[in-house]
Amino acid sequence: AQSVTQPDIHITVSEGASLELRCNYSYGATPYLFWYVQSPGQGLQLLLKYFSGDTLVQGIKGFEAEFKRSQSSFNLRKPSVHWSDAAEYFCAVNPLFGNEKLTFGTGTRLTIIP
Amino acid sequence: EAGVTQFPSHSVIEKGQTVTLRCDPISGHDNLYWYRRVMGKEIKFLLHFVKESKQDESGMPNNRFLAERTGGTYSTLKVQPAELEDSGVYFCASSRMLLRDRQFFGPGTRLTVL
Repeated sequence: AQSVTQPDIHITVSEGASLELRCNYSYGATPYLFWYVQSPGQGLQLLLKYFSGDTLVQGIKGFEAEFKRSQSSFNLRKPSVHWSDAAEYFCAVNPLFGNEKLTFGTGTRLTIIP
Repeated sequence: EAGVTQFPSHSVIEKGQTVTLRCDPISGHDNLYWYRRVMGKEIKFLLHFVKESKQDESGMPNNRFLAERTGGTYSTLKVQPAELEDSGVYFCASSRMLLRDRQFFGPGTRLTVL
């Protein structure tokens, strides 16, 4: 079955430290890939997306993600986190062919400590 | 440009009652989606409107859920009668007509069924 896995439910990092959030997908072909962030009281905001081309994708707020076909992964990274990055992060996929619904992972909650 | 808005932000009802959630998409967005996140689980697709037509309602859990989008503008999602397992956060998203265009999400409605 098609699925998206975010293995880390909760991650805590120190402000200024680097961050990597993991995402793996299981699909027959490479789907479209997305990372969304939800801050408290806010809707989901798109950080970045991958459709094709360069496997390293730059997003907003200093985030980037790397698509690795061999590992079916699309991990999100940031070299130095800020306290305002504390939020919940969702990886999502959309198949190349078929309907347009997004399939989400369970999310990773990020806590930043001073 | 105003974002996707949802009303109410929070609703607490008793089992067996009826609740109607409303979503106002971004003006000019023909695609409208409903998603739901049950506590601790992934965000799951419910249905997709293109203008006033239901394009895909494969995620609707049962016939207690009724979604409408009269006139192709705002949408309502009615739950009647509500059950305990309906508790969760209901997200609405909208996008332009272009295939695979980014979906803009609202802040969600938190529904608690007691």
